[in-house]
Amino acid sequence: GAVVSQHPSRVICKSGTSVKIECRSLDFQATTMFWYRQFPKQSLMLMATSNEGSKATYEQGVEKDKFLINHASLTLSTLTVTSAHPEDSSFYICSAPMDTQYFGPGTRLTVL
Amino acid sequence: GQNIDQPTEMTATEGAIVQINCTYQTSGFNGLFWYQQHAGEAPTFLSYNVLDGLEEKGRFSSFLSRSKGYSYLLLKELQMKDSASYLCAVTRFGNEKLTFGTGTRLTIIP
Repeated sequence: GAVVSQHPSRVICKSGTSVKIECRSLDFQATTMFWYRQFPKQSLMLMATSNEGSKATYEQGVEKDKFLINHASLTLSTLTVTSAHPEDSSFYICSAPMDTQYFGPGTRLTVL
Repeated sequence: GQNIDQPTEMTATEGAIVQINCTYQTSGFNGLFWYQQHAGEAPTFLSYNVLDGLEEKGRFSSFLSRSKGYSYLLLKELQMKDSASYLCAVTRFGNEKLTFGTGTRLTIIP
């Protein structure tokens, strides 16, 4: 099946810094990718839809200026958490659709 | 809006059968997915239903009733490795994005 990678898998940062997470579709092209956030013992919550060549579409309640999304190519989308705070600590997962949604392995962000 | 509900937790015995239910309310329904997620890992695809009826795939089967807004995932011959969270998710016409249910944490006991 299709493969989606994420980098880094785990990141620890200080409060106030920015963190960039990459999502790549390795063997297929994706004009659309999705970013999810998952807090402990909770389900996945869609944050935004990343669109190649145009602006991302954010879900209600998600701050556009805090979670910057760039879909620079047909195989790469990046999520930047700006001025991270401890409450942003979470598991961030991306997905890309082909015949079904293929999920990346996730990025565990811990903000101290 | 959308409303997707699942039981929060379930426990079942190794070798037995368990059914995990999912009810949903959504306009423009265009399919329901089931995913398995082990702790700290990304979800993995289990099944997809868009028409009413039962889809069987090895030990796992999934059922959909569109008129009732209801689906279930049936796991047979349970194994310890089946301990995981099971997520149902729906899609709507004209949009590939998934909206996930609350997830069911399944624990298999010997």
